[in-house]
Amino acid sequence: NAGVMQNPRHLVRRRGQEARLRCSPMKGHSHVYWYRQLPEEGLKFMVYLQKENIIDESGMPKERFSAEFPKEGPSILRIQQVVRGDSAAYFCASSTAGGAGELFFGEGSRLTVL
Amino acid sequence: AQSVTQLDSQVPVFEEAPVELRCNYSSSVSVYLFWYVQYPNQGLQLLLKYLSGSTLVESINGFEAEFNKSQTSFHLRKPSVHISDTAEYFCAVTFSGGYQKVTFGTGTKLQVIP
Repeated sequence: NAGVMQNPRHLVRRRGQEARLRCSPMKGHSHVYWYRQLPEEGLKFMVYLQKENIIDESGMPKERFSAEFPKEGPSILRIQQVVRGDSAAYFCASSTAGGAGELFFGEGSRLTVL
Repeated sequence: AQSVTQLDSQVPVFEEAPVELRCNYSSSVSVYLFWYVQYPNQGLQLLLKYLSGSTLVESINGFEAEFNKSQTSFHLRKPSVHISDTAEYFCAVTFSGGYQKVTFGTGTKLQVIP
């Protein structure tokens, strides 16, 4: 019973390039969340998605960041024209529709921008 | 809006000593409360949760937390820590109704000293 799968685990990009982070939720989970983790800052909520719908993107930067969760395939967090400040660990979590807020996390994707 | 405060960023404690990790939340409505644990280079794992009922909840590895509505707290305790408990611990809150955006505290690093 596979858990939440994130890839790549590590990604290195130069400034100005694009980063794509993928997340496959647990089987049977229809809700996906993306969080960003920086040292000493905890987990910052970015976006909450259901299949083909963005429910809450209040934590997403207004520019360069986008997320999707298509009907088929994984959820994608896309960062265009990366800057050094985008270097962080990005965690995906999933839950069931009635999961009462209990999240199941992937192991994260660590983005390094040179 | 809901928020979570973890005042202690780091807590060193000797092995077999008791520990308490503090968590206070702010919310104007009923909440669900969680403690998650993160081991190095891994994602977060649910440690325990309070949804309703008994205000004292326990995990399988000896941790417990007590929901105190009047003090808006959900402190995590263990009577005797082990080296393997060294990790970062995150308190989290979500509304008990409506959609399930989960807000995390900044984390407390528990360092167990041999």
